[in-house]
Amino acid sequence: NAGVMQNPRHLVRRRGQEARLRCSPMKGHSHVYWYRQLPEEGLKFMVYLQKENIIDESGMPKERFSAEFPKEGPSILRIQQVVRGDSAAYFCASSPGFDTQYFGPGTRLTVL
Amino acid sequence: DQQVKQNSPSLSVQEGRISILNCDYTNSMFDYFLWYKKYPAEGPTFLISISSIKDKNEDGRFTVFLNKSAKHLSLHIVPSQPGDSAVYFCAASGLDSNMLTFGGGTRLMVKP
Repeated sequence: NAGVMQNPRHLVRRRGQEARLRCSPMKGHSHVYWYRQLPEEGLKFMVYLQKENIIDESGMPKERFSAEFPKEGPSILRIQQVVRGDSAAYFCASSPGFDTQYFGPGTRLTVL
Repeated sequence: DQQVKQNSPSLSVQEGRISILNCDYTNSMFDYFLWYKKYPAEGPTFLISISSIKDKNEDGRFTVFLNKSAKHLSLHIVPSQPGDSAVYFCAASGLDSNMLTFGGGTRLMVKP
């Protein structure tokens, strides 16, 4: 049973470019969450999605960030016009419902 | 406003002894608590959880204690092993939200 998959594992972007991070949840899990970890800090919630719906986006920055979880395919976290402060590890987690969340290996975004 | 705090950034323990990691929270709406272990360059791995209706949960070498009146939880690892060396995060969620709020983490080093 494959765990949560994230790709790419490492992503380098120049300021002003777009970053797209993908997450495939565990089999049977319909709930997806995105968290961000800045250097030397804990994980911070960004957004919670179910298939085709955003349930809670209270942790998402108001501009440049968006997320989706389409009916088919992985969940996507999109960051437009990246800035150096976006450099962080982005983790995706999934759960079958209101239950324990299982995390993927993360995508490390570096903005030059 | 840090709702979940881990006041010890690091802890060093001898192999075979007990490791005790602590976590305090301020939000009385939290009702579900989890501990995750994280190795460098990997995602958090779920260890153990506890619901607010319990005060103790045990799984092998890991035991979590919850003191609701003090808004405090702790993770006991006994006996500690060198492979337990990692960063440990406590996390909490509330009745009305599936979002996890994380502490800043405690780096545990188990010396052989």
